[in-house]
Formats: sequence, structure tokens, C-alpha cells
Amino acid sequence: AQKITQTQPGMFVQEKEAVTLDCTYDTSDPSYGLFWYKQPSSGEMIFLIYQGSYDQQNATEGRYSLNFQKARKSANLVISASQLGDSAMYFCAIRLGFQKLVFGTGTRLLVSP
Amino acid sequence: NAGVTQTPKFRILKIGQSMTLQCAQDMNHNYMYWYRQDPGMGLKLIYYSVGAGITDKGEVPNGYNVSRSTTEDFPLRLELAAPSQTSVYFCASSPLADAVYEQYFGPGTRLTVT
Repeated sequence: AQKITQTQPGMFVQEKEAVTLDCTYDTSDPSYGLFWYKQPSSGEMIFLIYQGSYDQQNATEGRYSLNFQKARKSANLVISASQLGDSAMYFCAIRLGFQKLVFGTGTRLLVSP
Repeated sequence: NAGVTQTPKFRILKIGQSMTLQCAQDMNHNYMYWYRQDPGMGLKLIYYSVGAGITDKGEVPNGYNVSRSTTEDFPLRLELAAPSQTSVYFCASSPLADAVYEQYFGPGTRLTVT
């Protein structure tokens, strides 16, 4: 069963605008964690932001925020004031059970000048 | 700290050959993981370890073996390489006492089997 779904294979945004990358998940565990990673063309995986299932407030890290809607099982990433360097693949992942991460298929973001 | 290091960065194998992908971390993390990333896809867990001497299968373990004799090292062994194992392999680690359990990734090994 698909645990993490990213329905947007590609997104385009102009520099300085905000963009939302969608992520929905499926789990019956009450305790889980949601992550977003960035993968630039160089290939490394860069941790961006984390949301725990019991966290009351949406997580924020600089220009990144996570729009966590628990009842809808969604954990969308919002990037404010996009920069050219934000062009990359973005992966949503859920931590299930004992430390294991399950990744979505990713969204390619292109930021244009 | 070097973080998580992986060697080699690139490798081309012939079908049926064997090799070991090396992974080391210097952060004293208990948990270590191996993932593979096929073109255009997300990462899939191959094996993981919760400490020296303890390993377990992930989602796609067939064709691979692991061992964990020390906290620092977690090598991944391919015994009989097949074209389906052409992929980018990532090693990761995470600490035991961490509420977030963030996984720290190595730079990856790009493997081609022909």
C-alpha cells in the first residue's frame, strides 16, 4: 500500500514567489514523523523540515514551513520567497515503526528568474 | 566531523560480479541504513541496523547482504550483480536519543551493472 503520495511530478514557480508542494500519507499508527528532503542535481539528500504527529503547531525552518493537516493526512511543504537555488527534487517521507523512512516519488521544482 | 562517508562514488560492474559498498559515520549514531534510488523514484530501504551486531531487512533486501561489526561501519555487499541493481545507493545514520530521528545521508554511490 502506498504510504506516501506526491501527486505533482513537476512544479514551476517564479523567483520571489511562494510555492506549495503536496504530500499525503497513509498510516494507522498514532505516532509518526513527517520529513521533507531536498535533492539538488548534485545528488545529495538535504534535510529541510520535520513534523511530529503529536506536534500542535506547524513546523517552520526559515523559508520552509510544513502545512500539517492531520485529519486530512496531508503534510504540504511551503517555500516562501523562492530562490533560483531552490530548483531541485523534493521528497516527502514518513517515519513508520522503528525508525524506517518511507519516501514518496518526489516533485521536481523549477524556479525561473 | 566528516558525517556519513561512502566509497566508491561511482562503479561499473559486470553481471555476476560482486562488490562491497562502504559506509562509515563518525557521529556515534546507533542507527544506520542503506537505501537505493532508481531513476526518477524515491528512496527505498534495503537494510538497516539498530546497533553493532544487529541488522534487519527493509523493503527491497533481495540480492544484498549487510553486516555491522562496529558502530561506525555498515558495509553493503552485492554478491551476484544484476542489471536491476543499477541504482544510486545512499547510506544514512541517525542518533538513538533524538526526538526527531533525523537521518543524515552520505553523498551516494552510483552503481551501473552491465
